[in-house]
Amino acid sequence: GIQVEQSPPDLILQEGANSTLRCNFSDSVNNLQWFHQNPWGQLINLFYIPSGTKQNGRLSATTVATERYSLLYISSSQTTDSGVYFCAVAVDAGGTSYGKLTFGQGTILTVHP
Amino acid sequence: DAGVIQSPRHEVTEMGQEVTLRCKPISGHNSLFWYRQTMMRGLELLIYFNNNVPIDDSGMPEDRFSAKMPNASFSTLKIQPSEPRDSAVYFCASSPRLAGPRKNTGELFFGEGSRLTVL
Repeated sequence: GIQVEQSPPDLILQEGANSTLRCNFSDSVNNLQWFHQNPWGQLINLFYIPSGTKQNGRLSATTVATERYSLLYISSSQTTDSGVYFCAVAVDAGGTSYGKLTFGQGTILTVHP
Repeated sequence: DAGVIQSPRHEVTEMGQEVTLRCKPISGHNSLFWYRQTMMRGLELLIYFNNNVPIDDSGMPEDRFSAKMPNASFSTLKIQPSEPRDSAVYFCASSPRLAGPRKNTGELFFGEGSRLTVL
């Protein structure tokens, strides 16, 4: 199956710092999403980004599908950004597996005040 | 709009008991997914429904696990009998319908999860 690798595994920042999280995947994908799991365990959908660039406030994401990687940028980090960031991908096998996501192991982000 | 709703949020039970987890997907979404999260294995897909029909249950660990989707607004995941190794957070997610040949967009929206502890 498809392999998803996220880096770095852990990241510690001071409030206000910027960061870049990376997701590499082993095969062509039709679906890529970034999620934030907050300290209460909720999985929040950040971006649905199988290709291209999107921005939402202080967060932005870029996926270069031909090179099999995606980047999540967090600018001016806040303590509420702490948690685990997951990248998840899927390959469309005939239209029936579009949401069958394979998750990376995540990047644990800690933002100190 | 209401998101994906799961119940119970927390369940503590003893080994051998039956456990039923419930999920109400977002209205209008045509696909529903059950995922399990553990420290050792991360997030893994258990089963996936499209238009209430199970499409892929290859992730269901064993016969003790079963899932149903009797209608577009309700699904259950049942474990009988439960074992301590089933302790995990179980997430339900749904995906919106897309017109055309693709069955759904693939964009998943997760519920808050059901944390199961089997003693």
